[in-house]
Amino acid sequence: LAKTTQPISMDSYEGQEVNITCSHNNIATNDYITWYQQFPSQGPRFIIQGYKTKVTNEVASLFIPADRKSSTLSLPRVSLSDTAVYYCLVDSGDKLTFGTGTRLAVRP
Amino acid sequence: SAVISQKPSRDICQRGTSLTIQCQVDSQVTMMFWYRQQPGQSLTLIATANQGSEATYESGFVIDKFPISRPNLTFSTLTVSNLSPEDSSIYLCSVVLATQYFGPGTRLTVL
Repeated sequence: LAKTTQPISMDSYEGQEVNITCSHNNIATNDYITWYQQFPSQGPRFIIQGYKTKVTNEVASLFIPADRKSSTLSLPRVSLSDTAVYYCLVDSGDKLTFGTGTRLAVRP
Repeated sequence: SAVISQKPSRDICQRGTSLTIQCQVDSQVTMMFWYRQQPGQSLTLIATANQGSEATYESGFVIDKFPISRPNLTFSTLTVSNLSPEDSSIYLCSVVLATQYFGPGTRLTVL
């Protein structure tokens, strides 16, 4: 199973753009890259998924370079409510392997 | 999307007892997953439960300690047996419907 590496924590201020980068050097051809958000006392919530290049939805963008060995989750104009743990996962199908996650703290 | 509910949301149990956690989904799903999240830690997959077959357990988890039932396509239970304080965790069920959805979790504290 592919392992992911991401920063343990990040700090930001309201209104800023936050970019969280994840490395997944041994990603396989059929794997997708998925990001989840988890608030305290809640289950993880799907944010975005991509295979290559750029994917954008209503809450985030995901940038994946051609070699797919890394990916960057971009959160535009964060607010205090975006304070959470963000998990980057290499999705090999149904079985998800969670890494340590990135604890994002958004300050006023 | 999928709406997943878990019961109980939290419980405090005595050492040596067992707790059964229920997971209900509002859609029929083939595979259901059970995860454990220890305090301040990431999620670890315990087992995969398919309807009509034995659950498949990950390394470090055994059926005697974590028996699972999957009687139909919308429901599953996870029992944590012979509880010890080390079992104090959040237990989450999840399902796959295009993407993977998680329940709210059951917070277990073992005294």
